[in-house]
Amino acid sequence: AQSVTQLGSHVSVSEGALVLLRCNYSSSVPPYLFWYVQYPNQGLQLLLKYTSAATLVKGINGFEAEFKKSETSFHLTKPSAHMSDAAEYFCAVTDNQAGTALIFGKGTTLSVSS
Amino acid sequence: GAGVSQSPRYKVAKRGQDVALRCDPISGHVSLFWYQQALGQGPEFLTYFQNEAQLDKSGLPSDRFFAERPEGSVSTLKIQRTQQEDSAVYLCASSLGQGALLLNYGYTFGSGTRLTVV
Repeated sequence: AQSVTQLGSHVSVSEGALVLLRCNYSSSVPPYLFWYVQYPNQGLQLLLKYTSAATLVKGINGFEAEFKKSETSFHLTKPSAHMSDAAEYFCAVTDNQAGTALIFGKGTTLSVSS
Repeated sequence: GAGVSQSPRYKVAKRGQDVALRCDPISGHVSLFWYQQALGQGPEFLTYFQNEAQLDKSGLPSDRFFAERPEGSVSTLKIQRTQQEDSAVYLCASSLGQGALLLNYGYTFGSGTRLTVV
């Protein structure tokens, strides 16, 4: 069975500081991995996805994530936090089976202070 | 429409009441998913449609939950005899892709329906 674990339910950074949100996955087959962001009372917006191409994936709003098979990790980073980055972030996994749904982590709330 | 539309945005139901939640996917989107997001948790898969066919309903928590998509577009999630543990945000997502192409096309999520059972 597939699963994802997001370490840290809440991360706080200062504006301009590095953002690091951690995600570890468990999958018996090569995974497809995603990061989504959710602003209050809104749906999930895709930040980036890994689909077995380049291990370093660049997404929107300056975010990127690196797939590390040896560590079963897919951590999300951004060099310099902005106030507008404050939101809930979800890591998700699926495999390549047809119609397989996304399996989400419990989420990490990112707070950005000035 | 431009996005996935869900209605109502908020629903308060008395315990034991039946509710119906609606999802209007993006026009032409073949695949449609329902997810349940409890407070402070990530979304959890409920069911998946490819056109009008319900291909996976393994996530439905009980036989009180029922979903349909009779014409392959609008979908309704029905919850009978609601219980307090049903309180959650119900998210709908749609995709132009199907099968293996789901991952290429990606998913578009609606803003959800917040159900509160009192």
